[in-house]
Amino acid sequence: EAGVAQSPRYKIIEKRQSVAFWCNPISGHATLYWYQQILGQGPKLLIQFQNNGVVDDSQLPKDRFSAERLKGVDSTLKIQPAKLEDSAVYLCASSPLGGRGQKLFFGSGTQLSVL
Amino acid sequence: AQKITQTQPGMFVQEKEAVTLDCTYDTSDPSYGLFWYKQPSSGEMIFLIYQGSYDQQNATEGRYSLNFQKARKSANLVISASQLGDSAMYFCAMREGRYSNYQLIWGAGTKLIIKP
Repeated sequence: EAGVAQSPRYKIIEKRQSVAFWCNPISGHATLYWYQQILGQGPKLLIQFQNNGVVDDSQLPKDRFSAERLKGVDSTLKIQPAKLEDSAVYLCASSPLGGRGQKLFFGSGTQLSVL
Repeated sequence: AQKITQTQPGMFVQEKEAVTLDCTYDTSDPSYGLFWYKQPSSGEMIFLIYQGSYDQQNATEGRYSLNFQKARKSANLVISASQLGDSAMYFCAMREGRYSNYQLIWGAGTKLIIKP
């Protein structure tokens, strides 16, 4: 079974530039998550999709971040314009529909450096 | 208030020894789940073990076991016979009941280094 695919693996940009990350979840997984993980911290949820609808985006900085999930499958996360504090690893995860015991499957992440 | 607390920022352990990673949690929801994930330097989060709040037995998965003490709100991860490949960050996470959209709440992690 193929895992969660993310690209690019690394990205270096200058502040005020824009950047986009792509995620392809495990086939059949209804729920998709984007997390931001700053060095030395646990992941912070940015947005959660269920199929192609948004379940929670309360921690997404909507003035600069946007995300979409195309046809309930692939997803893109965009930052425009980037700030220095956006330097982090962006993790995508997916899971089947389920309850409190449902584990998440993660991709390898995209490491973003904003200079 | 912190809902998941991992008090050990870093640990050094000799290869082949057992290691316990601490995790305490805070919730008033009677229905919750506790997870441990491993994050090696490659970056991917790898699921290790799960414990449900109503589970009677402590969870075990190979060399991993979860020491679940409900009254103390503690869910420590025990790794038996540690190996060099166990060197990684370890995160404890909690998912509360249905009213939280089943979102995971994460601890800050513990960096484990296994010495040869």
